[in-house]
Amino acid sequence: AQSVTQLDSQVPVFEEAPVELRCNYSSSVSVYLFWYVQYPNQGLQLLLKYLSGSTLVKGINGFEAEFNKSQTSFHLRKPSVHISDTAEYFCAVSDLTNAGKSTFGDGTTLTVKP
Amino acid sequence: GAVVSQHPSWVICKSGTSVKIECRSLDFQATTMFWYRQFPKQSLMLMATSNEGSKATYEQGVEKDKFLINHASLTLSTLTVTSAHPEDSSFYICSARETGTVSPTFGSGTRLTVV
Repeated sequence: AQSVTQLDSQVPVFEEAPVELRCNYSSSVSVYLFWYVQYPNQGLQLLLKYLSGSTLVKGINGFEAEFNKSQTSFHLRKPSVHISDTAEYFCAVSDLTNAGKSTFGDGTTLTVKP
Repeated sequence: GAVVSQHPSWVICKSGTSVKIECRSLDFQATTMFWYRQFPKQSLMLMATSNEGSKATYEQGVEKDKFLINHASLTLSTLTVTSAHPEDSSFYICSARETGTVSPTFGSGTRLTVV
């Protein structure tokens, strides 16, 4: 079984400032890692994913994340946020033998202030 | 890219009635689809795994007789909430994974309100 902990439930930040959303996971097997964004009353949009290889993963909208196996972390970063980045962000994992079946963290609400 | 259509996007029903939600993969075939439930300001909780041509696999604590799942084709899975009650009001989201890929694609969700 896997679990995901998003360390910050809410992150307020000013426009054009950098941001980091933290995610730790626990699993007894190797996993795939994902970050999703959700706008109000909408489904989830994939920002980026780590499957294997380079630990630094670049995604859409200027986001990137770094996989750290020793710390079992997959933190999401953006060097300069926009008002439009205000949304709910979810970190998720799925094990290699059952790809698609995801375990989600509780989510982080990112609020970008002008 | 892969697109998953979920219908309806919102529905209001009376207590005691049943509601069907559809999840379609528009441009790919999905032998496996997943149904999640999301309460306000909370995370997504997996309800069941829908397998084409066979019975769904339900997560612990999910009532299979209340949440009927049918995956009759490689592009369509349906979730029927039977005898709905106000506590079933929630946001339901499906996802589908194209065979040979890793990342699931999510539908846009269905807001169910039971009055």
